[in-house]
Amino acid sequence: DSGVTQTPKHLITATGQRVTLRCSPRSGDLSVYWYQQSLDQGLQFLIQYYNGEERAKGNILERFSAQQFPDLHSELNLSSLELGDSALYFCASSVGSGGSTDTQYFGPGTRLTVL
Amino acid sequence: AQSVAQPEDQVNVAEGNPLTVKCTYSVSGNPYLFWYVQYPNRGLQFLLKYITGDNLVKGSYGFEAEFNKSQTSFHLKKPSALVSDSALYFCAVRDGIYNQGGKLIFGQGTELSVKP
Repeated sequence: DSGVTQTPKHLITATGQRVTLRCSPRSGDLSVYWYQQSLDQGLQFLIQYYNGEERAKGNILERFSAQQFPDLHSELNLSSLELGDSALYFCASSVGSGGSTDTQYFGPGTRLTVL
Repeated sequence: AQSVAQPEDQVNVAEGNPLTVKCTYSVSGNPYLFWYVQYPNRGLQFLLKYITGDNLVKGSYGFEAEFNKSQTSFHLKKPSALVSDSALYFCAVRDGIYNQGGKLIFGQGTELSVKP
């Protein structure tokens, strides 16, 4: 158990809908990262927040957004869902802002199925 | 651009034999390299990382990795494989480009199968 929690574990929804994925980092960690894992794209970095501020951005679609709250938990919002958004979404956390010695610890993931 | 390649989709070894999972990288600056393992229906578990220093890095569960700068490789190794090591292994490199934070770039993964 990494200490990173994600809810829900599974999410099934329809095209066009909006969902929210939640992540709680390990105690003491200030950074939260979101990754998407799919069969065709592999593991892709979406976005990182550090102490409430956006730190780095990857290939995140405009339909997706995220935020980190004062208690450091994070939410990933996915809207206007398409079939291709079906994937496993991982949250990771680290102590620092992502520097060279920082290690990311991953949560169990949320499996999103869009029908 | 930073990239990581895992040339083998699958590696098969017999229990008790040594195992190697290969990884090569391409970076513009200093490489910060990681290995993670993913068991079915589980998240990624951190195994080890190379930041600087000794070329042989020791990690969790008896795994180690050898950093080779001239060959731009970071192969994962274990002297004696266990059936319970069967899983999906990912090599990753941290993006050293300014303002990319801790973004990790992952390889496509290698499925390790250890048979009794």
